Amino acid sequence: GESVGLHLPTLSVQEGDNSIINCAYSNSASDYFIWYKQESGKGPQFIIDIRSNMDKRQGQRVTVLLNKTVKHLSLQIAATQPGDSAVYFCAEIVTGANNLFFGTGTRLTVIP
Amino acid sequence: DAGVTQSPTHLIKTRGQHVTLRCSPISGHKSVSWYQQVLGQGPQFIFQYYEKEERGRGNFPDRFSARQFPNYSSELNVNALLLGDSALYLCASSLGGDGNTIYFGEGSWLTVV
Repeated sequence: GESVGLHLPTLSVQEGDNSIINCAYSNSASDYFIWYKQESGKGPQFIIDIRSNMDKRQGQRVTVLLNKTVKHLSLQIAATQPGDSAVYFCAEIVTGANNLFFGTGTRLTVIP
Repeated sequence: DAGVTQSPTHLIKTRGQHVTLRCSPISGHKSVSWYQQVLGQGPQFIFQYYEKEERGRGNFPDRFSARQFPNYSSELNVNALLLGDSALYLCASSLGGDGNTIYFGEGSWLTVV
């Protein structure tokens, strides 16, 4: 079946450094991608999304990059803060489909 | 404005029992989806409802059922609970249609003993 996967299950960064979380997807038909942040005991929180007709999108301190050639997605967090510590999921969806496919997530730990 | 709200937040049930979980979508959102998240994994799709009709179903047994009401709120029902049903059950809402942002609630933690 189709799957969304992550290269690194854990990532530790120093406060103030930039973080990069990577994600590989296998369904070439996927055309909408979302990054979610999930803190312990809470539901996934929307961070940023990108559609397949774009290769970069920026938000507040976050940037998502999409490389359709190699089916790769990344989330960049600038000046990482302790409050950024969480599990980050990328999710993909095919237009017209009904559900998001999630990977297993990357745990980001920010060291003060 | 309120986000996606779910109830109850936590509950404990015994094997073989039945459970009903409830979800209220963001105001104006007509699509509601349910996901199951087992500890240490990403959420897995269970159902999607749009305008009170089932639009999608994941790979879950018939013990799982859901419905959407005229006010777009939704219920997830699970019969004959198994220990493996212990998980965080997430509700997500969106405006409906393609490419609309999907927002999640805080979930209902179900423990089956």
